[in-house]
Order: sequence, then C-alpha cells, then structure tokens
Amino acid sequence: GIQVEQSPPDLILQEGANSTLRCNFSDSVNNLQWFHQNPWGQLINLFYIPSGTKQNGRLSATTVATERYSLLYISSSQTTDSGVYFCAVGVKTSYDKVIFGPGTSLSVIP
Amino acid sequence: DTAVSQTPKYLVTQMGNDKSIKCEQNLGHDTMYWYKQDSKKFLKIMFSYNNKELIINETVPNRFSPKSPDKAHLNLHINSLELGDSAVYFCASRPGTGLEQYFGPGTRLTVT
Repeated sequence: GIQVEQSPPDLILQEGANSTLRCNFSDSVNNLQWFHQNPWGQLINLFYIPSGTKQNGRLSATTVATERYSLLYISSSQTTDSGVYFCAVGVKTSYDKVIFGPGTSLSVIP
Repeated sequence: DTAVSQTPKYLVTQMGNDKSIKCEQNLGHDTMYWYKQDSKKFLKIMFSYNNKELIINETVPNRFSPKSPDKAHLNLHINSLELGDSAVYFCASRPGTGLEQYFGPGTRLTVT
C-alpha cells in the first residue's frame, strides 16, 4: 500500500522563526490535506491541496503531485502554532481511502 | 454551529463492557468516517460509510460495529472492550470522493 512519510518528526522553533515541513508519498494520490492538531487534540483543517500552491496568512502549502511531495511553510511562528502537523492523502482505488502521515511535532518557544 | 459533533467527549469504562460513541454532521456530506488515534498520535482509518453504506472496513476486530441510521449520523459500538482499545476516536465527514474532510472533536476512550 501507499506509504506517507513526514519530516522532520520533531521540530523546536524560537518564536518568529520560519520552518518548512515535508510530506512524501509513494504513489499517486487524488487529494492531499494538511491538518494541525493543537495541544487540546482538535484536528484543524489547514489546506486542501491536491496540487499547486495556496496561502492562508502566515501559512502556505505547495504540492507537486508528479514528484509525490507536499510542503507546508510556517512563517513568523507563534507559540499557538505548537502541536502536531499531519498530511493526509487520498488514495486512488475503487473506494475512498485516506492515509495519514506520522506527523511532525512542532514546539514554538517564546 | 458545530459541523461534526461527537458524544461523549470522554469515556472511561472497564474491560469487558460494551459502549457506543455517537457522531453527527450537519454539513450535508455523503461520506463519514471513523478513525483511531493511538498513544503515539498515529491516525488510522477504521470505517467509511457513503450514504449509509459501508465502504471501507480496515481489518478492525468485529467487536467494533459501525451503524449509520441516516446520512448525517455514524455511530460506533464496541463490544467486550479491551485495554488496547484505549485511544482517541475521531469521526469525520466529506462531501464526496477526493474532497476535503472535516473532523469532529474526538472521543477519548480509556479502558481500565
């Protein structure tokens, strides 16, 4: 089955720093989402981005489907950005299946 | 206006008991899911329903039985609970194949 990898697994940032999180997938996908799981456990939609680039405030994401990766950029990080960032891909099969990556745990310190 | 809601938020129970978790979405979506998040934060799909029909059953023990009374609801019933069932269970919905998913707040199940 498809493999989804995320890097780095853990990241510590000083407030105000920028970072790039990466998601690699081993086969063709029909969609890709980025989520933020905050310290209270809530899963928050960041981007639905099967291809191309999107921006939302300090966050942006780029997916290059032909090369099987996606990047999430966080600029001017804030302590509220702390949590786990997941990418999730939709698999092209006879039914709709979603595979989550293992996540990147981000801690932003003041 | 909660889009995807789950009840209860916390559930503590003893081994061997039977329990249910309820999920409702008011988004008009056709597809609903149950996911399990283990202690290492790994999220894995358990079931998928489309218009009340089971689409995906990811080798989950048959002690777990999803039920969808209508398109807006997908409940999860668990029989004979085991210690290894302790996890956070998330419900999610999406309008159609390949589109954006929306998650509920999760139910933290602790089996003692």
